[in-house]
Amino acid sequence: AQSVTQPDIHITVSEGASLELRCNYSYGATPYLFWYVQSPGQGLQLLLKYFSGDTLVQGIKGFEAEFKRSQSSFNLRKPSVHWSDAAEYFCAVTSWGGGNKLTFGTGTQLKVEL
Amino acid sequence: GAGVSQSPSNKVTEKGKDVELRCDPISGHTALYWYRQSLGQGLEFLIYFQGNSAPDKSGLPSDRFSAERTGGSVSTLTIQRTQQEDSAVYLCASSFGTGNSPLHFGNGTRLTVT
Repeated sequence: AQSVTQPDIHITVSEGASLELRCNYSYGATPYLFWYVQSPGQGLQLLLKYFSGDTLVQGIKGFEAEFKRSQSSFNLRKPSVHWSDAAEYFCAVTSWGGGNKLTFGTGTQLKVEL
Repeated sequence: GAGVSQSPSNKVTEKGKDVELRCDPISGHTALYWYRQSLGQGLEFLIYFQGNSAPDKSGLPSDRFSAERTGGSVSTLTIQRTQQEDSAVYLCASSFGTGNSPLHFGNGTRLTVT
């Protein structure tokens, strides 16, 4: 069965510092990978997705993620964090033909210190 | 344009009562999904509707849970004889077809069973 692991439940960074959120997946087929962000009381917003091609994908709000098949990872990065980035971040996986039956990780709560 | 709308935003019910949660997807989106978000559990897939096809109910946790989608638009998730473990945020999402089109999430319904 497919699964997604986000090993960091909470992360705190200072504003202006760089950020990396980890995501590891377990999937038998070629994975399609996503990062979503959830602000308090809000639904989830898609940050970026990887289907194929260039393994470094750019998303909204200055985020990027790199797909590393050898490590089964899809880590999210941002060079300089803003206070408004404080939120919960979810990594998710599906496959072609899986529709949008996404399997989500348990999320990483990001706190930004001013 | 309008996003995915869910109602009510909050629902408190007594154990054993039935509840109905409503989702109004983005106009023109043919696919509709229900997910459950429990504290510390990430998001759990419940059910998926695509056009006029039979729904994929593989994520429903018990026969107390059911959902319907009328006229290919509005969906209702019904939980019968609610239990305390049903307390969670129920998120609805829609997408334009499948093929891994991006999901658009509503803000969710927070269900509390006392």
